[in-house]
Amino acid sequence: GAVVSQHPSWVICKSGTSVKIECRSLDFQATTMFWYRQFPKQSLMLMATSNEGSKATYEQGVEKDKFLINHASLTLSTLTVTSAHPEDSSFYICSAARHDPSYEQYFGPGTRLTVT
Amino acid sequence: GIQVEQSPPDLILQEGANSTLRCNFSDSVNNLQWFHQNPWGQLINLFYIPSGTKQNGRLSATTVATERYSLLYISSSQTTDSGVYFCAVEQSSYGKLTFGQGTILTVHP
Repeated sequence: GAVVSQHPSWVICKSGTSVKIECRSLDFQATTMFWYRQFPKQSLMLMATSNEGSKATYEQGVEKDKFLINHASLTLSTLTVTSAHPEDSSFYICSAARHDPSYEQYFGPGTRLTVT
Repeated sequence: GIQVEQSPPDLILQEGANSTLRCNFSDSVNNLQWFHQNPWGQLINLFYIPSGTKQNGRLSATTVATERYSLLYISSSQTTDSGVYFCAVEQSSYGKLTFGQGTILTVHP
């Protein structure tokens, strides 16, 4: 149990376009989902916390108008990178918190975004 | 914010060797998790261990919350153990994790 999927696994887009990444908890309901960004050979950096039915909470320095997060259901959260630029190229990873019996987080396989 | 330090940053082993990875944190935490990130980027849950000791096959972990550290033991290492090991801590009740910088483990046959 506790499987989280992400789609797409990788995406290449042109500068100025928008890209949507989906994160799904397949076998449990996740009130809270998280979005991380990871640069090569670095650790994970939390971008935002997504709660079902409410606005996402963004970490300091993360542009909320650029990284749009929607958590429409207990099993789906989406991250849309708007007007993407080459500096947005990165590995984006989502996680879902299983609240019962603890807040243990389970991670998706990640999405590699390349902006040309 | 809380600081999470992992050591060593890099570790090279021969297959069959044992190792200990350490995670120090600068403040009290509600929870602590250990992950293994495989070469394809997937984070695999190893332990959810806010305190005490747990074992799962060749891996075990101990967290001493009062002294603000956790240890991950890998015994009889295999090449498939290679990858990056992260510890991450949670202070709030909302599940927000702060990650350490990771330990890069390479196991040679």
